[in-house]
Amino acid sequence: DIQMTQSPSSLSASVGDRVTITCQASQDISNYLNWYQQKPGKAPKLLIYDASNLETGVPSRFSGSGSGTDFTFTISSLQPEDIATYYCQQYDNLPLFGQGTRLEIK
Amino acid sequence: QVQLVQSGAEVKKPGASVKVSCKASGYTFTGYYMHWVRQAPGQGLEWMGRINPNSGGTNYAQKFQGRVTMTRDTSISTAYMELSRLRSDDTAVYYCAREGWGNWGQGTLVTVSS
Repeated sequence: DIQMTQSPSSLSASVGDRVTITCQASQDISNYLNWYQQKPGKAPKLLIYDASNLETGVPSRFSGSGSGTDFTFTISSLQPEDIATYYCQQYDNLPLFGQGTRLEIK
Repeated sequence: QVQLVQSGAEVKKPGASVKVSCKASGYTFTGYYMHWVRQAPGQGLEWMGRINPNSGGTNYAQKFQGRVTMTRDTSISTAYMELSRLRSDDTAVYYCAREGWGNWGQGTLVTVSS
């Protein structure tokens, strides 16, 4: 079975900072990776699909990169409304989510 | 526009079963897999399984094999997830999500308590 390792589990950053989250798959998943944002009490929101494609309507400060086993999610300039938990998800085989990264404002 | 509307919150006793519905609109229901994901309080997202609404074929996460049943009624564009032999650690918000992952239901809170 594929395992997903997401890090860090929590992160504190200042408004305007560049923020990076990583996700590592235990085997090659090509580019079958999504990134989500989830705010309390809400369903997850798809931000990035196929590792690097920005979902329609999502601000361009969000980006994703990587393929194979190593993936990166970046917020280029953190905004107050970006406070949330972020998840990666592989869908090469049966879907599996990473453990999540809780992002806080410093 | 695509909409997934789930049934309301449930409170169940341990050992009981729960059936959550997800009514789809705004697209061809049989054209996309429907997934079910749950989230226990304060925890992460957990994929439970998926159903092909066209064929009725299912894939379940190993953890839920034998306890979960996913079905659909194409006449009313609705998918169902039934979880049996409920335990307290099944207390969670249950979501349906359409293949492509850009559309999610609003979530259904299932509370298991004696």
